[in-house]
Amino acid sequence: DAGVTQTPRHEVAEKGQTIILKCEPVSGHNDLFWYRQTKIQGLELLSYFRSKSLMEDGGAFKDRFKAEMLNSSFSTLKIQPTEPKDSAVYLCASSLGWGGYEQYFGPGTRLTVL
Amino acid sequence: GEQVEQRPPHLSVREGDSAVITCTYTDPNSYYFFWYKQEPGASLQLLMKVFSSTEINEGQGFTVLLNKKDKRLSLNLTAAHPGDSAAYFCAVLRNTNTGKLTFGDGTVLTVKP
Repeated sequence: DAGVTQTPRHEVAEKGQTIILKCEPVSGHNDLFWYRQTKIQGLELLSYFRSKSLMEDGGAFKDRFKAEMLNSSFSTLKIQPTEPKDSAVYLCASSLGWGGYEQYFGPGTRLTVL
Repeated sequence: GEQVEQRPPHLSVREGDSAVITCTYTDPNSYYFFWYKQEPGASLQLLMKVFSSTEINEGQGFTVLLNKKDKRLSLNLTAAHPGDSAAYFCAVLRNTNTGKLTFGDGTVLTVKP
C-alpha cells in the first residue's frame, strides 16, 4: 500500500512568491492534516479536513496559508506570499478518522524562503 | 482544550542504558495515546498506540505505560542503542469524533556508543 506522498520534497522560494505544496493521503483515509514543523515551534496544525470538508483552519495561519482538498485523494497547501519566517518542514498526514485511528505522516516538504 | 506536556526536551544516555520520556495531559476524557519516532531528516513514524486504562505495552526494545488516573504516559527504552537516537513525540486524542491529535513538544534522544 502506498503511504502518504508529498511533493516536492524540497522547495526554495524568493520572498513574496506563491508556492503550492501537494499531498496524496493513504487511499481510503477520511482525515487529512497539514502541519508545519520547526525546531522552535515544534509541530503546528495548519489545517484539518474530514471527508474533504475543512474542520479546522489554524487561526494564526489563516492569513497567507490556504489548504484545499478538491477530491479525497489530493490536497494542496498554498502559501501566498511567502516570507522568510515560513521556512520550515511541511508535513501532511492522513488517518481513517473515527474511532481513534493513528495518523500516517508523509515524508514532508522542506521549504526555504530567501 | 487539551494540553500535553512532554519531558525532558533533550535526553542523552549511554548505549545499554534505559531512557524514559514522560507526557502528562490535562483532559481526563482523552481516549487514545500515541508515541511517534522521528529520525533525523525523516518523517514521523508510529511506534505504538494505547487506549486502555493503566496499561503496559511492550514493543521492540521499549515499553509504554499509560496511567489514566495520573494522566501520564511514558515511553521507556529499556536498553538504548545508537539507532534509537531520534526525536520522540507523544500525542493524545481527546475523543473519537475527531482525528485531531494534540502533540507534545518532543524529546530529542541521543544515545552515545
